[in-house]
Amino acid sequence: KAGVTQTPRYLIKTRGQQVTLSCSPISGHRSVSWYQQTPGQGLQFLFEYFSETQRNKGNFPGRFSGRQFSNSRSEMNVSTLELGDSALYLCASSLAQLTDTQYFGPGTRLTVL
Amino acid sequence: DQQVKQNSPSLSVQEGRISILNCDYTNSMFDYFLWYKKYPAEGPTFLISISSIKDKNEDGRFTVFLNKSAKHLSLHIVPSQPGDSAVYFCAALASGDYNQGGKLIFGQGTELSVKP
Repeated sequence: KAGVTQTPRYLIKTRGQQVTLSCSPISGHRSVSWYQQTPGQGLQFLFEYFSETQRNKGNFPGRFSGRQFSNSRSEMNVSTLELGDSALYLCASSLAQLTDTQYFGPGTRLTVL
Repeated sequence: DQQVKQNSPSLSVQEGRISILNCDYTNSMFDYFLWYKKYPAEGPTFLISISSIKDKNEDGRFTVFLNKSAKHLSLHIVPSQPGDSAVYFCAALASGDYNQGGKLIFGQGTELSVKP
């Protein structure tokens, strides 16, 4: 069974630009969550999608948004990039329930110059 | 407001000995806890979990202990192996938020180094 895939793996952008990251969950998984990892902050929850609906949201500004398609693939968008947005962005998928194991992708390393 | 804390950023252990990684939480609504392991350039991998109705869960060399009164959990690895060297994250969630989705709250991580 293929794991969670994320594209692109690496990305360099400049301040003010916008970026879109993609996540393909494990087949059959309907929940997709996004996390931001920065040094010293651990992993911080961004949002979670289930059946094309945002089910939960973390404490991030409105510049961070996402969506989920009918095939459960998800995209995350960050507009008006800031230097502090440089981070590893991780996507995780799970079957559906809150306590179902989340399986993580390798992440997208975003660098904002 | 860090609801889940791992106060030791790093830990070094000799091969064959026990590794003990600690995690504290503040939110009494948390009732499900997980440990993830992360190698460089890879996403976190699920290791072991425990529900608040238990105080211990064991899986091979890995055992997680939960002390609800102290709001503390620990991961024991016995015996430690060089391949266990990685960053370990504890995470928590409140399963009562069923319709709130997969909001895992992670600690900052502890980097474990197992010396041969």
